[in-house]
Amino acid sequence: GNSVTQMEGPVTLSEEAFLTINCTYTATGYPSLFWYVQYPGEGLQLLLKATKADDKGSNKGFEATYRKETTSFHLEKGSVQVSDSAVYFCALSDRQGAQKLVFGQGTRLTINP
Amino acid sequence: SAVISQKPSRDICQRGTSLTIQCQVDSQVTMMFWYRQQPGQSLTLIATANQGSEATYESGFVIDKFPISRPNLTFSTLTVSNMSPEDSSIYLCSVDRAGADTQYFGPGTRLTVL
Repeated sequence: GNSVTQMEGPVTLSEEAFLTINCTYTATGYPSLFWYVQYPGEGLQLLLKATKADDKGSNKGFEATYRKETTSFHLEKGSVQVSDSAVYFCALSDRQGAQKLVFGQGTRLTINP
Repeated sequence: SAVISQKPSRDICQRGTSLTIQCQVDSQVTMMFWYRQQPGQSLTLIATANQGSEATYESGFVIDKFPISRPNLTFSTLTVSNMSPEDSSIYLCSVDRAGADTQYFGPGTRLTVL
């Protein structure tokens, strides 16, 4: 079945550091890929998405590129801020039938000033 | 995107009781989903709420425990029945408009079972 694996957390960085959160997936066919963010005490917000190979999703300074050859969708940001502290979830949608989302385990990110 | 509200936002319940969670969307949507997020864990799909027919449940989830209604294209309810402390979780609904291939989530309902 489909699955998503994220790098284990928690991740702690200093403000203005470079961020990478690794995400790899296993899927049949050609899934859509997503990053969602969950700020403390809040629900999930869509951060960015990519729907086909080599697509780059971007939002709020975050970027992720759909790499079919390595089945990866790593999240990057060049300079993180304290306000980026949250839990980040990588997910895929199989785009077949009910388009169910399969989530990775989440990575807790803490940015220190 | 869509504006999605859930009621209640949180509740504390006694074991053996049931709680019904409501999900309201500001526009008609084709697909509605219910997820569970256990403490410190990721999200797991409970079921897909189908308008006009029975919900489709994922492996490990059954209708007797999590009955779902979807009376129209903007509303759904999830009931957590005969609750035990293991049901303490955040329950989230999400929606996906036809052709959008993107799910948007409600704010969640934080349930604590004593």
